[in-house]
Amino acid sequence: AQSVTQPDIHITVSEGASLELRCNYSYGATPYLFWYVQSPGQGLQLLLKYFSGDTLVQGIKGFEAEFKRSQSSFNLRKPSVHWSDAAEYFCAVGPRGTDKLIFGTGTRLQVFP
Amino acid sequence: DAGVIQSPRHEVTEMGQEVTLRCKPISGHNSLFWYRQTMMRGLELLIYFNNNVPIDDSGMPEDRFSAKMPNASFSTLKIQPSEPRDSAVYFCASSLYLAGGSTDTQYFGPGTRLTVL
Repeated sequence: AQSVTQPDIHITVSEGASLELRCNYSYGATPYLFWYVQSPGQGLQLLLKYFSGDTLVQGIKGFEAEFKRSQSSFNLRKPSVHWSDAAEYFCAVGPRGTDKLIFGTGTRLQVFP
Repeated sequence: DAGVIQSPRHEVTEMGQEVTLRCKPISGHNSLFWYRQTMMRGLELLIYFNNNVPIDDSGMPEDRFSAKMPNASFSTLKIQPSEPRDSAVYFCASSLYLAGGSTDTQYFGPGTRLTVL
């Protein structure tokens, strides 16, 4: 069955530090891959997505993610975190042939000044 | 362009009452999704529509839940009768499902926070 794993439930970083949020998926073929961010009390906002082509994808707010087929991973990175990045981050997989998305359980990011 | 619109933003009701949540998708989108988010279960897909037709309702928890999409610009999620365990944030999302089976970005509404007392 298709699934998405975000192994880190909660991450705390200092402002200015680098960030990597992990995402692993289980799917027979290369799916469509997404990262969403949810600020408190808000809906989910798309950060970036991968459909095909260059495996390093640039998104909004200075985020990027790299698709690694051999590791079934799509980790999200940011070189320098800002306090406003504190939020919950969701990785999602979109199996081809359907418009459903399968979401991971999310990673809550806390940023200390 | 307006995003996905949901109403009400907050709803407090008593157990046993009927609750109706409303959603207006982004104009031109042909797929609509209803999700429920709780601390315990995370983000769950309840049901989704394509071209106003329900495609997958396997996530609807029980018969107390029903969803309709009478036209391309409006959908409702109804809970009757409501129970305290239905308390959650309910999100509506829409997307453009492309020919050939390609999914695309889902755009989420701000959610409806439902509290059932």
